Amino acid sequence: AQTVTQSQPEMSVQEAETVTLSCTYDTSESNYYLFWYKQPPSRQMILVIRQEAYKQQNATENRFSVNFQKAAKSFSLKISDSQLGDTAMYFCAFFGGTSYGKLTFGQGTILTVHP
Amino acid sequence: DVKVTQSSRYLVKRTGEKVFLECVQDMDHENMFWYRQDPGLGLRLIYFSYDVKMKEKGDIPEGYSVSREKKERFSLILESASTNQTSMYLCASSPTTGQGYEQYFGPGTRLTVT
Repeated sequence: AQTVTQSQPEMSVQEAETVTLSCTYDTSESNYYLFWYKQPPSRQMILVIRQEAYKQQNATENRFSVNFQKAAKSFSLKISDSQLGDTAMYFCAFFGGTSYGKLTFGQGTILTVHP
Repeated sequence: DVKVTQSSRYLVKRTGEKVFLECVQDMDHENMFWYRQDPGLGLRLIYFSYDVKMKEKGDIPEGYSVSREKKERFSLILESASTNQTSMYLCASSPTTGQGYEQYFGPGTRLTVT
């Protein structure tokens, strides 16, 4: 069974600075997908970024990028130029080796961006 | 845009009541999921469905059942609500193939059982 661990329950950052959220996972699968989801306060969860394990290049979406270390089973999210709207709960999630699109989620990290 | 809707944002029920949480998606997705979200525990999968009338247990199915009579609708049933089922419930859907298995989430239902 896959496990996903987010070891930082809470983090904070000043507006315009950079912050990195950590995620590690455990799997015996060779091909899989990793995701970062964002859940703003009282709002719907949305996908931030996706990484396919067979792609060596780290995924990037505007101010969001990942550092994917396959051998270390690490998948961190870097947010550059943090904005107040980045304040949210962030979940790391894993898909692989299962049917029907089941995801395994980490515990979540609450990120607060301060003005 | 994919839209996943849930029947209620907030719900208060009494212990022992039968509770229905409904979820509807409009993108013809094959897969639908019910999670509960609790602080420090992340999202835990209760049940999922990969086709009409097809369902499988997730990680924490005890005390819950589900129904999927139509492709777009997936219901979560608490047969006899208990206080330890007070939680945030999230519904999600995803296509079987393509799009990297991204799941699309509803707004959530915060259920309080008193």
